[in-house]
Amino acid sequence: DSGVTQTPKHLITATGQRVTLRCSPRSGDLSVYWYQQSLDQGLQFLIQYYNGEERAKGNILERFSAQQFPDLHSELNLSSLELGDSALYFCASSGRGTGNTEAFFGQGTRLTVV
Amino acid sequence: EDKVVQSPLSLVVHEGDTVTLNCSYEVTNFRSLLWYKQEKKAPTFLFMLTSSGIEKKSGRLSSILDKKELFSILNITATQTGDSAVYLCAVLNYFEKLTFGTGTRLTIIP
Repeated sequence: DSGVTQTPKHLITATGQRVTLRCSPRSGDLSVYWYQQSLDQGLQFLIQYYNGEERAKGNILERFSAQQFPDLHSELNLSSLELGDSALYFCASSGRGTGNTEAFFGQGTRLTVV
Repeated sequence: EDKVVQSPLSLVVHEGDTVTLNCSYEVTNFRSLLWYKQEKKAPTFLFMLTSSGIEKKSGRLSSILDKKELFSILNITATQTGDSAVYLCAVLNYFEKLTFGTGTRLTIIP
C-alpha cells in the first residue's frame, strides 16, 4: 500500500458527461501529480499541485481542471467527456518537507467513456 | 523544457539473461532520479538516486547515477518472468516537478 488513495477505482460514463476523480496523498506529502495513461501508452503528465497551488501544467485539455484543497486532497474534473478520454488516471504524491522524497502512486481510476 | 529519454523502448530476452536499461535526462535544478516498475496497475517505486557513482541495490536489481553525463542505468541480473513489466525513469527537480520518460517495456521469455 503506497498510502495514496484514489477513488473511485472504476468509472463508466457516457459521452458528454462530467466526472470527478479524487486523490488523497500520503500523510504529509504536499505535492500531488495527475497522470493519464491510455491503453499501452506511457504516463502523460496532466498537472501538479503543491500545497494548494498549481505548480506545473502538462498536456491537460481545457475540458479538464483540477484543484488541491486545504487538507491537501486533490480532485481532477473531466467534462464534456469523449470516447478518447477513456484511460487510467493516476495520482502520485511526494514532497515531505525539504528532504529528498520519492513519489508514490495511487492505484488509479479506470475511466471508461461509452 | 525538461526531458527524460529511456532506451531501449522495448526489450525481449530469455529468462536468466542480464539486462541494462538506460535513462538520460536534461532537467533544470535536478534533485533526484527515480526508477519505477509498472505491471498491470500503478507504478511501484524501485530506487531513488541522488548522488553520482553510488550504486543502489535490491536483490537482482541495481541502479547507478552519473550526474556529470546526465544518465542512469538499471541492471537486472538473472532475469525471471516476473520481471516482465514497463520500467519507468523519472527525474524530480527542486521545484517538486516530476518528469517521466516513456518507459522501457521488458519481456522475459521462459
